[in-house]
Amino acid sequence: DTEVTQTPKHLVMGMTNKKSLKCEQHMGHRAMYWYKQKAKKPPELMFVYSYEKLSINESVPSRFSPECPNSSLLNLHLHALQPEDSALYLCASSQGRQLPNTQYFGPGTRLTVL
Amino acid sequence: EDQVTQSPEALRLQEGESSSLNCSYTVSGLRGLFWYRQDPGKGPEFLFTLYSAGEEKEKERLKATLTKKESFLHITAPKPEDSATYLCAVQGGSQGNLIFGKGTKLSVKP
Repeated sequence: DTEVTQTPKHLVMGMTNKKSLKCEQHMGHRAMYWYKQKAKKPPELMFVYSYEKLSINESVPSRFSPECPNSSLLNLHLHALQPEDSALYLCASSQGRQLPNTQYFGPGTRLTVL
Repeated sequence: EDQVTQSPEALRLQEGESSSLNCSYTVSGLRGLFWYRQDPGKGPEFLFTLYSAGEEKEKERLKATLTKKESFLHITAPKPEDSATYLCAVQGGSQGNLIFGKGTKLSVKP
């Protein structure tokens, strides 16, 4: 089973709202990722949790806040977003440190910021 | 700087017309090259991992090959359901992060 699940599938929010995206995997993977994908562009890495240690893409604004409650769950907290943050948000997981390791993606959350 | 270039950007084929997609890369210490298929509005679906030059992998109508500078995704006798964007990504160094190409959008007409 190589399934990564994401909720919700779609999210519409105003610029003053606070919302969260959720991701779950049950493959025993120890690394989980958040990506942002704009239309007709490849995925861009936002955050990585590897063995519960966070690595940050320095260009990601602070209005995005990741959380990893345990090795199976990954959340992305959203606050005071801008319309340009509208995109497909993808979660992925992989086994962990040893390279190469294949990343498996979830179906994504389509986010629209009004 | 690590870089991945995919060509062509878009490819239109007739059903049954075989062709190849190209992924050329420059990376310090290649650890793996990955092919994904992505349908509109959905997450990338994993297809293949290639580790070393000369390696080949097959899955149904798809065959991926790897050299020291590029990878090819060969599509034999494609069907309309093969229409999608195909993404190539490389993993190098010690970080394990993926570097994606911009993708090739494949359209197969019946």
